[in-house]
Amino acid sequence: KNEVEQSPQNLTAQEGEFITINCSYSVGISALHWLQQHPGGGIVSLFMLSSGKKKHGRLIATINIQEKHSSLHITASHPRDSAVYICAVRYSGGGADGLTFGKGTHLIIQP
Amino acid sequence: DAGITQSPRHKVTETGTPVTLRCHQTENHRYMYWYRQDPGHGLRLIHYSYGVKDTDKGEVSDGYSVSRSKTEDFLLTLESATSSQTSVYFCAISESGQGHEKLFFGSGTQLSVL
Repeated sequence: KNEVEQSPQNLTAQEGEFITINCSYSVGISALHWLQQHPGGGIVSLFMLSSGKKKHGRLIATINIQEKHSSLHITASHPRDSAVYICAVRYSGGGADGLTFGKGTHLIIQP
Repeated sequence: DAGITQSPRHKVTETGTPVTLRCHQTENHRYMYWYRQDPGHGLRLIHYSYGVKDTDKGEVSDGYSVSRSKTEDFLLTLESATSSQTSVYFCAISESGQGHEKLFFGSGTQLSVL
């Protein structure tokens, strides 16, 4: 089974720091998703990428198709950004059931 | 949020009993999914549906069945619950079009099998 690897698994930072979370995958994909899950909460879609870069507020997501790698950046981090961030990929030709999820990165932003 | 709701939010049951979780959507999406989330694992697909009465198995389907008799409802049944099925269950919908896909998740069901 194709894997999705996220790093780091856990990250604790101070408020205001620039945060980077990484996601790597093994074969060609048609889409990559970044998701956010707050403690005890549901899962929210942040971005879908197939190429390039997307920005929403303080969040920036990039993808390098050749290197099979994506990053999620958070600028001016805030305690409310504390959550688990999940990367998911849809492998090319994977069909309707073709999403593979990473194990998540647990982020804590301390005031 | 694509109008997706799950019920119940929490359930405690005993080993050997049947359990049904419900996922309801209001936006007429074709694709619906049931995942389970466990520590140390990414979300894992149990079953999915691509239309009324059209369902297929996912990665961890043993011990689970699903039904979709209406577009808006996708039911997950644990035929005889076991302790290994203690987990958080998420229903999801995907909305696709012109090279774009968005995922919507329900709030989750915390299931404990004692």
